Amino acid sequence: GQQLNQSPQSMFIQEGEDVSMNCTSSSIFNTWLWYKQEPGEGPVLLIALYKAGELTSNGRLTAQFGITRKDSFLNISASIPSDVGIYFCAGQREYGNKLVFGAGTILRVKS
Amino acid sequence: DVKVTQSSRYLVKRTGEKVFLECVQDMDHENMFWYRQDPGLGLRLIYFSYDVKMKEKGDIPEGYSVSREKKERFSLILESASTNQTSMYLCASSPAGWVMNHQPQHFGDGTRLSIL
Repeated sequence: GQQLNQSPQSMFIQEGEDVSMNCTSSSIFNTWLWYKQEPGEGPVLLIALYKAGELTSNGRLTAQFGITRKDSFLNISASIPSDVGIYFCAGQREYGNKLVFGAGTILRVKS
Repeated sequence: DVKVTQSSRYLVKRTGEKVFLECVQDMDHENMFWYRQDPGLGLRLIYFSYDVKMKEKGDIPEGYSVSREKKERFSLILESASTNQTSMYLCASSPAGWVMNHQPQHFGDGTRLSIL
């Protein structure tokens, strides 16, 4: 079953606002990834985090790997209409190639 | 750039049919994965393969099988399609040792499968 709790489920925000979403788990993860999926396309990697405590930015996006290795957050600053999509967190368990995905956060932006 | 190509964007099949979904990657990746995506459930792993002719069950393998005869191609098979297998199917690939090389999974654009 689902091992990552991603929240919020959906957000409808005004253009220019900042956005924050997070994923938590009762299990430890070795790697955290954040993907974005636009309509009709597959998920595209936004940010990858490989060390506990790591804070990484990619343009207006910032993500952190929680120090307990059980959580991660993604922030988007100054949202724009093209930020619309579904954002997924994914974690790699301590050993192996498999990823576990959160249920996704649907982001809608009002311009 | 990694290219993961799924053979069909949309597919409509009938209950009981045997259905083949094909995926090809062009980066010589060892690992290939099949997921299904349903609203509110995220991506759930069906099967994955870490080498030619090797396969492992994911979290929801029931009703599916896979084939990896060549490194670049990973096929998902619905042995006898049922309506509850109507979903978006996503294929992904990654190299062996992807964590050390910082090369996570790349996805195809998906196949939206409807079973009538």
